[in-house]
Amino acid sequence: NAGVTQTPKFRILKIGQSMTLQCTQDMNHNYMYWYRQDPGMGLKLIYYSVGAGITDKGEVPNGYNVSRSTTEDFPLRLELAAPSQTSVYFCASRPTSGGANEQFFGPGTRLTVL
Amino acid sequence: LAKTTQPISMDSYEGQEVNITCSHNNIATNDYITWYQQFPSQGPRFIIQGYKTKVTNEVASLFIPADRKSSTLSLPRVSLSDTAVYYCLVGDEAAGNKLTFGGGTRVLVKP
Repeated sequence: NAGVTQTPKFRILKIGQSMTLQCTQDMNHNYMYWYRQDPGMGLKLIYYSVGAGITDKGEVPNGYNVSRSTTEDFPLRLELAAPSQTSVYFCASRPTSGGANEQFFGPGTRLTVL
Repeated sequence: LAKTTQPISMDSYEGQEVNITCSHNNIATNDYITWYQQFPSQGPRFIIQGYKTKVTNEVASLFIPADRKSSTLSLPRVSLSDTAVYYCLVGDEAAGNKLTFGGGTRVLVKP
């Protein structure tokens, strides 16, 4: 299994541009998450999904959108990028039951907005 | 969700045991205590989880006193590669949807 994969690894955007961060998992996990991590800080939850077709806001959803059309994919959309969205973005997944709070994280996407 | 408090940083030397204590005074009955490790430029990695008493795996031990208001992650005989940030999280199965990662404890292992 590849686990959780994210693309791209790095991206530089200009203010006002849009982009989609891709996240795919091959573990058949129902739960998926998007976090952002600013330098020297902990992770903040942006959006999460408990299954295909179901998404919900986390702690910092403004400026982002998500969709979950399949179990495997959970893309994060940035509309009208702003410098405040410069961060490292992590996608994670976990099984529906068992292992309670064990999430599996991807390698991250480092985004810079100039 | 229960709030957690842990030291900002700790220094240690190779071969020593590192103990990181996390306070979670408002832990709820159904809450588990979970620890993650994060290396620079990588996503967090699950280390260990427990509910009460002691849990041990190949990486660490987790000690939880009877009142569960705190927990201690123990890393035996650390090496330079154990330099990382360690996060303590508290939540139940449902709260797993919204785990909160605080600032964590930055552990620096020196030669």
